[in-house]
Parts: sequence; structure tokens; C-alpha cells
Amino acid sequence: AQKVTQAQTEISVVEKEDVTLDCVYETRDTTYYLFWYKQPPSGELVFLIRRNSFDEQNEISGRYSWNFQKSTSSFNFTITASQVVDSAVYFCALSEDASNFGNEKLTFGTGTRLTIIP
Amino acid sequence: EAQVTQNPRYLITVTGKKLTVTCSQNMNHEYMSWYRQDPGLGLRQIYYSMNVEVTDKGDVPEGYKVSRKEKRNFPLILESPSPNQTSLYFCASMSQNEKLFFGSGTQLSVL
Repeated sequence: AQKVTQAQTEISVVEKEDVTLDCVYETRDTTYYLFWYKQPPSGELVFLIRRNSFDEQNEISGRYSWNFQKSTSSFNFTITASQVVDSAVYFCALSEDASNFGNEKLTFGTGTRLTIIP
Repeated sequence: EAQVTQNPRYLITVTGKKLTVTCSQNMNHEYMSWYRQDPGLGLRQIYYSMNVEVTDKGDVPEGYKVSRKEKRNFPLILESPSPNQTSLYFCASMSQNEKLFFGSGTQLSVL
């Protein structure tokens, strides 16, 4: 069975500090997708990134970067020079059987609440 | 504007009174799903639908029903709500490149 673990329940950092959110996953599939979603205080869920299991290249998008390591089954998310607007709950998610669209099951982690202190 | 629309945004009801939360998407997505979000548990999938008239159970389907009579709509039905169904509910649809689009959520309280 697939599982996503976000061991950090809450993190607080001072503005402009860098912060890394951890995500560890379990799956028996060789083909899968990994995701990160942001849930700001307003409550909506915002898509941040999708990563295919065959693509281990790290990705950078502005102040956001993602480190995918299959050897440790991790997909960590780093925010550089954090800002107050980054305060949110962040969810990591795993979708198995990505080769068979429509039959996959999406499993979310329990989320990490990030607070950026001004 | 591409979006998933959920209604209502907030709902307070009493035990046993049937209710429906509507969900509609305008992106012609085949895949739609419902999640509930509870503190410390993250988002858990209730039901999903791969296409019209095709639905399947997620992780926590008990006490819920869904229907998919047309591609754009995927209502969530609670025939006899109970207090343990008090939660924040999200509807979502998925594009071909596996990107999930979420509705704005429905906060349900069952008294």
C-alpha cells in the first residue's frame, strides 16, 4: 500500500530564513507521480509541482526548489529566503500507477504547517 | 476561467438530515474525486470517478454516495449525516497531465 509521511507537523522560521519540508513516501510501483500542494489560510489548495518517478532532476522555481531522491524515497521541498506569504499548510502527495491514467489512487501526507515569523 | 466550483461553502446540519454538496468543473476533465480533510489526517479520498457512470471507492467511502451522470458534475451525498462526518470537504478534477484542480472547499458541521 502506498503511504506518504510528513514527519514535521509544524515548523516556524523567521522571515528570510531558508526552510525545508520533508516528504518520505512508500510505494511498490515503479511508475508514480509525486506532488506538492499549498493550502494558505484562506483554505484553497494550490498546486505547486508534479514530479514523474523517472525524472530525478531537481527543480527550481523562483524561491522554491524540490529535491527528489529515489534512493531514500524522499521528495523534499525547500523555500529559500522565506516570506510571510509562504505561511501555509503544505501537503505532499503520491499517485501510483501513473502509466494508467484514471486508475491511480492519490494519497496525501498529513501536511506540514509552516509559519513565517516577520 | 478554468475552475472547480463547490457549493455550499459552509453547511451546518443535524444528524440524519440528508444533504448534497455539489461539484462542477468546466475543464472537460474525465477524472473527478472527493476528499475530506481532518486535523492530523491530511486529505483522504472518499470516492473518485474516472468517467461518466464510473465511480469507485476511495479510502473512506462509508456514509457517502456519489453520482456521475454527466462529465461536469460530481455531487457528494450524505444520506444520513453523523457528527463524525463533520469535516472540510474538497472536490477535485484531474487533467491529463495529472494536475489536480481543487474546489474552494465545503466546511460541514453535523450537530
